[in-house]
Amino acid sequence: GAVVSQHPSWVICKSGTSVKIECRSLDFQATTMFWYRQFPKQSLMLMATSNEGSKATYEQGVEKDKFLINHASLTLSTLTVTSAHPEDSSFYICSARDYQGGSSYNEQFFGPGTRLTVL
Amino acid sequence: AQSVTQPDIHITVSEGASLELRCNYSYGATPYLFWYVQSPGQGLQLLLKYFSGDTLVQGIKGFEAEFKRSQSSFNLRKPSVHWSDAAEYFCAVVLGGSQGNLIFGKGTKLSVKP
Repeated sequence: GAVVSQHPSWVICKSGTSVKIECRSLDFQATTMFWYRQFPKQSLMLMATSNEGSKATYEQGVEKDKFLINHASLTLSTLTVTSAHPEDSSFYICSARDYQGGSSYNEQFFGPGTRLTVL
Repeated sequence: AQSVTQPDIHITVSEGASLELRCNYSYGATPYLFWYVQSPGQGLQLLLKYFSGDTLVQGIKGFEAEFKRSQSSFNLRKPSVHWSDAAEYFCAVVLGGSQGNLIFGKGTKLSVKP
């Protein structure tokens, strides 16, 4: 099956610094990548959707200047948390999908997630 | 409000016992329906999905789910639980056609007793 990796799997940073999280599709081309945030005992909340070569589309309430998303290639998307604060501590999950056209559903494949802790 | 509801936050079952995890949705039309499993250190894995047709859907790892339109439900079942099934289970829907975004329930944590 399709594999999506994330790096790092966990990161601890100081308040005010920026952190970059990578999401890679290892064996397929991801025309679309998604970034989710998961709070403890909560659902996955979609933060943004990015299509390769385009600007990301952010969900309501997500600060685009704080959560910078770049989808520069068909296999890599990055999420940069800028000027991180303790309230940004969370579990960030990416997923990737290869849209093959038509009306068929194209499955999303999920990465293992990145645990961010901001001190 | 439109939502995906998983009423059970945490369920504990004995190994070998049967399992049913509940999921209800509140949308006007029947959405695409999914069940995912999340194990520590691993990404969400798709167990099964329902788009149309036969309302009883077979998935991986011995799981099945039944879509009941009258109850707006899509409950996940397994006849005999294994210790390795201990994980977090998420019900999800896709609205607005096949390219819509996944909307997740809050999840149900499954613990398995020896």
